[in-house]
Amino acid sequence: AQSVTQLDSQVPVFEEAPVELRCNYSSSVSVYLFWYVQYPNQGLQLLLKYLSGSTLVESINGFEAEFNKSQTSFHLRKPSVHISDTAEYFCAVSDPTGGGNKLTFGTGTQLKVEL
Amino acid sequence: DGGITQSPKYLFRKEGQNVTLSCEQNLNHDAMYWYRQDPGQGLRLIYYSQIVNDFQKGDIAEGYSVSREKKESFPLTVTSAQKNPTAFYLCASSTTGGSYNEQFFGPGTRLTVL
Repeated sequence: AQSVTQLDSQVPVFEEAPVELRCNYSSSVSVYLFWYVQYPNQGLQLLLKYLSGSTLVESINGFEAEFNKSQTSFHLRKPSVHISDTAEYFCAVSDPTGGGNKLTFGTGTQLKVEL
Repeated sequence: DGGITQSPKYLFRKEGQNVTLSCEQNLNHDAMYWYRQDPGQGLRLIYYSQIVNDFQKGDIAEGYSVSREKKESFPLTVTSAQKNPTAFYLCASSTTGGSYNEQFFGPGTRLTVL
């Protein structure tokens, strides 16, 4: 069975400061890893994903995440946040043998960017 | 314009009543999913379907039922047996086959049981 741990339920940060949202997973098999973002009262949008290859993956809006197999982590980082990044962020894993179809989500981290 | 629609956005029901949440997609996806979201608990899978006329229970199926009579539709019924139905419900869809099939999410329905 797979599980995902997001230790920080809320992360307050000032605008233009760097941020890291932590994600650790447990799995007995290799995994696909994802970060989703959810703005208030909306659905989830895929932010970035790791399937294979380079362990550092980037999104179009400046976020990046690094897959660390030895630490079973997939932390999300951004060097300089903007007010518009205020949202809830979910880390998720899936099993590649199932076509990556069944997602297991973490409990989410609320990122609040303040002026 | 392709996407997933969920209606209504907000739904109120009295305790003891069954309620059906709608999910429609025009992405021609074979697979569809229902998740429940509660504060501090993330998303949990209720039911999923990988093909018409077939569906499987997820992690928290008790008190819910689904049908998949058409490829584009996957309605979820919250029955009176669901002990705590107030939550935000999200529908998703994806292709099947291949090594990775991205799930696309609808805007969600917030159900409040009074």
